[in-house]
Amino acid sequence: QPVLTQSSSASASLGSSVKLTCTLSSGHSHYIIAWHQQQPGKAPRYLMNLEGSGSYNKGSGVPDRFSGSSSGADRYLTISNFQSEDEADYYCETWDINTRVFGGGTKLTVL
Amino acid sequence: EVHLVESGGGLVQPGRSLRLSCAASGFTFDDYAMHWVRQAPGKGLEWVSGISWNSGIVGYADSVRGRFTISRDNAKNSLYLQMNSLRAEDTALYYCAKGNGIAVAGSPLDYWGQGTLVTVSS
Repeated sequence: QPVLTQSSSASASLGSSVKLTCTLSSGHSHYIIAWHQQQPGKAPRYLMNLEGSGSYNKGSGVPDRFSGSSSGADRYLTISNFQSEDEADYYCETWDINTRVFGGGTKLTVL
Repeated sequence: EVHLVESGGGLVQPGRSLRLSCAASGFTFDDYAMHWVRQAPGKGLEWVSGISWNSGIVGYADSVRGRFTISRDNAKNSLYLQMNSLRAEDTALYYCAKGNGIAVAGSPLDYWGQGTLVTVSS
């Protein structure tokens, strides 16, 4: 089954742009993934699903400053104009036959 | 608006059983797969189990296979997780989540409940 690798932490200045990476394991570079946001003390929230082509579809109410892109086995989440409420844990998710996996998550903080 | 409300968590001794429930509203329940995902204190997300729209296909994480059983009642818009032979390492916040399609695989989880806490301790 696929494995998703994420950096454990990242930081950004308010108003800046930040790009988080989720890397698919060998043999799974074509898989679709999803990004989820988990603010402190809250349940996760679905942000978008992202294809290997870079095409993405966002969930209901997700701000325009969130976007996705892809390159090979890497799937990216870009946050433009980083806001304080964007400080959160970000998880990528994918699925295989009758199973699904999450990356270890990236903790994004304000610089 | 989609709502998922979990219940049934609590403190339980190792080796005992617990049944979690998830009440769904705001969407056509029997059109979608449903899942349980857990999060141990201070840790990341771990998929536990999923069930297709008509209960025809179920899937389990290796860590719970043979101990946990997922089920659903489409007439009641409800999802369940029967947890047997509980271990300390099952201690976590358990989330109910909606799939964006009918199958266990093939589409992301697009809505999450608030979770119910399960603590396994003597």
